[in-house]
Amino acid sequence: NAGVMQNPRHLVRRRGQEARLRCSPMKGHSHVYWYRQLPEEGLKFMVYLQKENIIDESGMPKERFSAEFPKEGPSILRIQQVVRGDSAAYFCASSFGQPANQPQHFGDGTRLSIL
Amino acid sequence: SQQGEEDPQALSIQEGENATMNCSYKTSINNLQWYRQNSGRGLVHLILIRSNEREKHSGRLRVTLDTSKKSSSLLITASRAADTASYFCATDALAGGSARQLTFGSGTQLTVLP
Repeated sequence: NAGVMQNPRHLVRRRGQEARLRCSPMKGHSHVYWYRQLPEEGLKFMVYLQKENIIDESGMPKERFSAEFPKEGPSILRIQQVVRGDSAAYFCASSFGQPANQPQHFGDGTRLSIL
Repeated sequence: SQQGEEDPQALSIQEGENATMNCSYKTSINNLQWYRQNSGRGLVHLILIRSNEREKHSGRLRVTLDTSKKSSSLLITASRAADTASYFCATDALAGGSARQLTFGSGTQLTVLP
């Protein structure tokens, strides 16, 4: 089953460390989206990428957060110098072709805990 | 503020009953989508309704869209215990001429009691 794969499922970091979250989109999908979800809340859009390009990063904090989707390999969401407030579930989704009128397919998320 | 807001926040029903969840949004949209999330899992796409559609069916699911009221409803008929999950609406809004991101509401937690 070539669904959206995220790893790790759970990640524990101490304050000040770096967190790297990986996402492999569904086979044939070239559009990737990252979302953040706090407990009891809906998903908040962070960034939308196509291969080697950031298309929309309007939901991404200006500092410490970065995302990439290289030509080869998974998309990476990187959080530098993590703080307690970064604790959340981070979900990746992918879609085929243009995002308009295309459903997004989600991975099971990475749960990030900051000690 | 949230683009999509679900109502109610939580709903508890008996197996076999129908469940109705509502979603309101604020801006013009390209389409509206409903997703389901089981505890600890990612979101599963249920149904997409375009802005020029008024009603759509998929199995036991029925979605309506009223663009004049900026609202949508999701009806699950003959509910089962396995329908217990959180349900989210998401709007695919027109932004700068192209739709690029989904905006999610905070969800309705549905509990179906056996």
